[in-house]
Amino acid sequence: AQSVTQLDSHVSVSEGTPVLLRCNYSSSYSPSLFWYVQHPNKGLQLLLKYTSAATLVKGINGFEAEFKKSETSFHLTKPSAHMSDAAEYFCVVSPNFGNEKLTFGTGTRLTIIP
Amino acid sequence: NAGVTQTPKFQVLKTGQSMTLQCAQDMNHEYMSWYRQDPGMGLRLIHYSVGAGITDQGEVPNGYNVSRSTTEDFPLRLLSAAPSQTSVYFCASRPAAKNIQYFGAGTRLSVL
Repeated sequence: AQSVTQLDSHVSVSEGTPVLLRCNYSSSYSPSLFWYVQHPNKGLQLLLKYTSAATLVKGINGFEAEFKKSETSFHLTKPSAHMSDAAEYFCVVSPNFGNEKLTFGTGTRLTIIP
Repeated sequence: NAGVTQTPKFQVLKTGQSMTLQCAQDMNHEYMSWYRQDPGMGLRLIHYSVGAGITDQGEVPNGYNVSRSTTEDFPLRLLSAAPSQTSVYFCASRPAAKNIQYFGAGTRLSVL
């Protein structure tokens, strides 16, 4: 069994300040973890993925996430927010390679204050 | 390179009507999936396919049918639409050798 909890449904930050979007997971096996971003009226785009290699994962647009097994967390960060980062972000867990039954978190809406 | 293409973008149906949501991908991906997105619930898997002629159920398959006659196309059929099927539907594909999903732009469906 697996589950994902995104701890904040909405996060607001000022432009130029750090972003932290929190995600906790539970899984009975070594998971693959992903962050996807969805801009308004668009499909989902992969930001980054963790698949049991380096625990600090770098993604596109300056985002990164750290896999912490002891805390079962996979938080998404960015040092300096940009207006174009305003979107919905989804944390996703996959039980193993090749399994289509992804489990999505409920999403975190990121608002950037000018 | 179009990626994953979904049509239509918007659709309004009356209860009991049938329709097919189209999904096509031009990346020669083996795996294709359909998800629905509802407020506050993230995305949930409806059906998926690991190759032409092979389909399987996901988390919320009731009320939906799929078939996969070609690698490129994976249509989702609603045989008798219900208001509970009002949602945004996403199609995704991925290559067998890579665990990364590529999503279409979605179809927003309203059932009255």
